[in-house]
Amino acid sequence: KAGVTQTPRYLIKTRGQQVTLSCSPISGHRSVSWYQQTPGQGLQFLFEYFSETQRNKGNFPGRFSGRQFSNSRSEMNVSTLELGDSALYLCASKTFTGGARTDTQYFGPGTRLTVL
Amino acid sequence: GDSVTQMEGPVTLSEEAFLTINCTYTATGYPSLFWYVQYPGEGLQLLLKATKADDKGSNKGFEATYRKETTSFHLEKGSVQVSDSAVYFCALLNSGNTPLVFGKGTRLSVIA
Repeated sequence: KAGVTQTPRYLIKTRGQQVTLSCSPISGHRSVSWYQQTPGQGLQFLFEYFSETQRNKGNFPGRFSGRQFSNSRSEMNVSTLELGDSALYLCASKTFTGGARTDTQYFGPGTRLTVL
Repeated sequence: GDSVTQMEGPVTLSEEAFLTINCTYTATGYPSLFWYVQYPGEGLQLLLKATKADDKGSNKGFEATYRKETTSFHLEKGSVQVSDSAVYFCALLNSGNTPLVFGKGTRLSVIA
């Protein structure tokens, strides 16, 4: 079974631009979560989608948004990029069993975003 | 809220040395506990997990036991290799609609 895939792997943007990142979950996984990883803040939760609905949201400004499609693929968008948005953005998928604490998340390789 | 505390790194060991990376947690209820590993330039890989007290997760020579009485999930390996050099993250997942909560990560460097 193929793993979680993320595209593109690397992006360079300038301040003020916007960016869209894509994530394809493991086949059969209906939940997709996004995380931001930076050296200073570590891994921070952005949001989770299930059945095209946002189930949970982290503490990020409204410039960060996402969506999920009917085939469970997900995109996240960052508008008006700031230097501090430079990070590794990780997508993770899992089967969804109603919030069970045994659900295991599987991560993609990430998209490295650099904002100049 | 829930939180995970890992020992500060970096940790530098010689090949074949014994490894322990400490992880303690604070959580309501009975979370599941995970160790993820991140190799340079890659995403996170699930290393092992435990879903209830006294469970032992194991994989690739790594082990961790869910200790409810000490709220700990320390990662151990008897003999590390250079290829184990990576960043290790301890994480918990509680019930309900809560996301994974990660520790800050511990960088391990193994030298030949």
